Parts: sequence; C-alpha cells; structure tokens
Amino acid sequence: DQQVKQNSPSLSVQEGRISILNCDYTNSMFDYFLWYKKYPAEGPTFLISISSIKDKNEDGRFTVFLNKSAKHLSLHIVPSQPGDSAVYFCAASSSYQLTFGKGTKLSVIP
Amino acid sequence: EAGVAQSPRYKIIEKRQSVAFWCNPISGHATLYWYQQILGQGPKLLIQFQNNGVVDDSQLPKDRFSAERLKGVDSTLKIQPAKLEDSAVYLCASSLSRGNYGYTFGSGTRLTVV
Repeated sequence: DQQVKQNSPSLSVQEGRISILNCDYTNSMFDYFLWYKKYPAEGPTFLISISSIKDKNEDGRFTVFLNKSAKHLSLHIVPSQPGDSAVYFCAASSSYQLTFGKGTKLSVIP
Repeated sequence: EAGVAQSPRYKIIEKRQSVAFWCNPISGHATLYWYQQILGQGPKLLIQFQNNGVVDDSQLPKDRFSAERLKGVDSTLKIQPAKLEDSAVYLCASSLSRGNYGYTFGSGTRLTVV
C-alpha cells in the first residue's frame, strides 16, 4: 500500500519556466511534509518542508503548497535552472517516521 | 560541518554471503536511520536509533538483517545471508533529534547480490 504517491516519473521544463512537481498521500495522520532532491550517486538532500497546519511555505525559488482536503501537495520551482535537474522525492511524516514517494525526475532544458 | 560518511561505496557479493555497511553520522546528531532504496523506488526505513537505542525496527527483516549503534555514534548494518532481492542502495541518515525531519543523508552503499 503506497501511502505517498508521485504519479509522474519524469518532467521536462524549459529553463526559466515554472516546474511543478506533484505528490498525493492517503494517510490523514501525516503531520509534516518534505521535499528532497537527489543527484546521481549522492544521497537525498533536504529541500523544503511544510507543516500540516499550513498551506504554503516559500524559500527563495521553491514554494510548497499543501491542500489537506485533497491530500495533495506540490512543489513549485520558479524560475527553473539547469542545476535543478535531479530526482525529487516527496516525503511525509507520522510517528517520527518518514514515508517517501518513488520520485519524479526533473530535467530542465537550457 | 562534515557530512554523513558511509563505506563502502559499492559492494558486489554472491547470494548467501554476508555483508556489512558502516555509517558515521554528523557529530552531535542523536538520531540515526538506515534506509533501503531499491531501483525505481523511494527510500524505505529499515531501522531508527536514538543515541544507542533502537526506537523503530518494524520494517527490518530481522531474520537476515541486523544493526547496531555502538556508543551512540557509528553504526553498522549487516545482512546475513544475502538474497538477490537485497540488491539496493543502503542509505544512512542522521538528524539532531527524532522530530527534526531535515535529515542529512550519506551518499549510500550500492549493493549488488549476484
């Protein structure tokens, strides 16, 4: 049973445009949501997070939106840069445990 | 600040052999995690330590996997005997405390079981 789903395995975006990565979850007990970024041959790197009591969190070019009623969150990257090309994992926490999605590979085309 | 160190980076073993992975977390991080990431999947938690005690090992296949964190610092993860389906990247992560979810991950050990 996959509790955190990233339904798009890959996404291609032109440099300078907006990248939108989506994530759905099924467990209403999740209380914190995070996005991690992973380059090849490296471990995931924490990018941005949001508490379940908020609906938006912004950090520079990165914004995460949470829609609790839809059990959906999204990561917006504006403007997208070639260095943003990586695999992005959505993760959700409950009882001190993180559950990860399968990831979305973002390619930013110069 | 030094990152999370893991070794070896790569390991190839035959099925039924044993293997061990080592992790050195960031200094001062009380919580240490071992994750298994199978190709095409997200990381899956195997075991979580708080200092030198296990706080969650519900997803660890205890018939073949074991882990310890001596003195609340370094940790080792062992597989004995290995199966083909254990082929994966094994990631170690650490955080200041259990409620701090901005984990720092190591680069991982890629295990191939043939």
